[in-house]
Amino acid sequence: DIQMTQSPSSLSASVGARVTISCRASQSIRNFLNWYQQKPGKAPKLLIYTASTLQSGVPSRFSGGGSGTDFTLTISSLQAGDFATYYCQQSYSTPPTFGQGTKVEIK
Amino acid sequence: QVQLQESGPGLVKPSQTLSLTCIVSGGSISSGSYYWSWIRQPAGKGLEWIGRVYSSGSTTYNPSLKSRVTMSVDTSRNQFSLRLSSVTAADTAVYYCARESVVVVASIRLYYYYMDVWGRGTTETVSS
Repeated sequence: DIQMTQSPSSLSASVGARVTISCRASQSIRNFLNWYQQKPGKAPKLLIYTASTLQSGVPSRFSGGGSGTDFTLTISSLQAGDFATYYCQQSYSTPPTFGQGTKVEIK
Repeated sequence: QVQLQESGPGLVKPSQTLSLTCIVSGGSISSGSYYWSWIRQPAGKGLEWIGRVYSSGSTTYNPSLKSRVTMSVDTSRNQFSLRLSSVTAADTAVYYCARESVVVVASIRLYYYYMDVWGRGTTETVSS
């Protein structure tokens, strides 16, 4: 299985801050990378697919980048509703695998 | 828009079989380039993909669970199901069903999968 490693595991930031989360794959996955947001007690929500394509309805302050083994999710200006856990997921090979998550907390 | 709703027993005894159903509403389970998947999440932990089923009945499972997993689809009822046999406490988790959309780049034979619609999840506990 392809291992996905996110960093940091958690971070504290203020509203309005720019936040970047990293995701590294154990082998090249080209751009087969998706990002999800999960709030406590809720199902994950798709934010970005194919590394950089914004899912319909997702605010433009979210952006994704990278290819190969290194990827980023950036929130350009953190809003109150963005405090959540974020997961990357590779779809390059079966089984799809997720990173361990990055929890974004209020500073 | 398409919505998914999981249902399950809530509590299963060790060594028994866990059976879950996901009802699809707002769209046909047979339409489009969609697969229907199960994902689980133990309390306080990360996400694990269990497998997917297509409307034709074709399945793909996570190798780590393959010997215990069976997925099926009932197009007449617009629902799909998961059976996980010989459960242990390690199978205690929130189980989600999800729609996996596929973007196909035919010219280079690439298939991009992503889970774009999720159910709310059902908490399943394995305990005697």
